[in-house]
Amino acid sequence: NAGVMQNPRHLVRRRGQEARLRCSPMKGHSHVYWYRQLPEEGLKFMVYLQKENIIDESGMPKERFSAEFPKEGPSILRIQQVVRGDSAAYFCASSPGSQAYEQYFGPGTRLTVT
Amino acid sequence: AQTVTQSQPEMSVQEAETVTLSCTYDTSESDYYLFWYKQPPSRQMILVIRQEAYKQQNATENRFSVNFQKAAKSFSLKISDSQLGDAAMYFCAYRSALGNTPLVFGKGTRLSVIA
Repeated sequence: NAGVMQNPRHLVRRRGQEARLRCSPMKGHSHVYWYRQLPEEGLKFMVYLQKENIIDESGMPKERFSAEFPKEGPSILRIQQVVRGDSAAYFCASSPGSQAYEQYFGPGTRLTVT
Repeated sequence: AQTVTQSQPEMSVQEAETVTLSCTYDTSESDYYLFWYKQPPSRQMILVIRQEAYKQQNATENRFSVNFQKAAKSFSLKISDSQLGDAAMYFCAYRSALGNTPLVFGKGTRLSVIA
């Protein structure tokens, strides 16, 4: 059973460009969480999605950031008009359902904005 | 809102010795889960151990054990017989038991293992 997949692992963008980060949850998992890790910090929650629905986006900046988890395909975290402060590691985690307490993490995407 | 505090930014331990990493948390909830995650240089988040708040017995996984003090809201991790491969960032995390909620992480403790 393949784990949580994230791609790309490394992404370099110039200021003002768009960044698209992809997350494929573990097979059978329908719940996806995105976290951001700034240098020397812990992970901070951004958004929680189920298939075709955003459940909780309380941790996501109001502007430039969006997320989706379509019926088919991976979850996408999209950052428009990136700025240097967006440079961070972005982690995706998945879980199977409402009674599960464990989240399984992907390897992360390191975004560098130049 | 729940918070998690790790007061030790860095710790070091001699190989084969024992080390304890501290974690405290703040919550008004009575039912929740606590976790320790390990993040090696590869950055992969690896679950080390978990504790259900309703269980009085401390969780143990091989060389890793916790000291869970619910009244004090304390959740420390003890690593016995430390190995070079234990060197990593360690994060304490909290999760409410109310449905599918996100993890709340501390800032982490960087553990070095000295040969």
